[in-house]
Amino acid sequence: GESVGLHLPTLSVQEGDNSIINCAYSNSASDYFIWYKQESGKGPQFIIDIRSNMDKRQGQRVTVLLNKTVKHLSLQIAATQPGDSAVYFCAETLTGGGNKLTFGTGTQLKVEL
Amino acid sequence: EPEVTQTPSHQVTQMGQEVILRCVPISNHLYFYWYRQILGQKVEFLVSFYNNEISEKSEIFDDQFSVERPDGSNFTLKIRSTKLEDSAMYFCAVGQDGYTFGSGTRLTVV
Repeated sequence: GESVGLHLPTLSVQEGDNSIINCAYSNSASDYFIWYKQESGKGPQFIIDIRSNMDKRQGQRVTVLLNKTVKHLSLQIAATQPGDSAVYFCAETLTGGGNKLTFGTGTQLKVEL
Repeated sequence: EPEVTQTPSHQVTQMGQEVILRCVPISNHLYFYWYRQILGQKVEFLVSFYNNEISEKSEIFDDQFSVERPDGSNFTLKIRSTKLEDSAMYFCAVGQDGYTFGSGTRLTVV
């Protein structure tokens, strides 16, 4: 069946360091991937997305890498700040309108001062 | 102002009671969704809604659940007879590919 999983449930980094959060997906048909940030008591917040015709996409301080060969997705956060502390989820779906998201289990990012 | 507003933010209900969770998207959207998240677990898909009907639902979305968009504005999730295991955060979402999630309703069934 379809599944999306994360390798590291908890990641602790020092403020100013770069963070890398990984995700494995199993549905090779998925062609759209999204990273969400979830702070305590809040809903998932869109960070960055990538479509399967790309292998890298950059945003402000964040970069998503997609390796379709091994079905692997990663989120890189540059110069991690205390405000980046949250749970990060990857999600996969199919483009075309109205398709469900399949979420991974989440990685807790803790930024130490 | 948030793009998706959910009410109430927290609801406590007794087992067996009916609850209605509400979602109000600000701008016009065609696709609506409900997801839930049991404490400490991942976000799970419940149902998608398009053109005033369910387009897809998960195994979780059994006969106890229903969705409506009664007045073209509100989007509701009803649980007819709540169970203890229905306790979770329920998120409404809108969008075609990129989603916008509401801040959620924490449902506690006692």
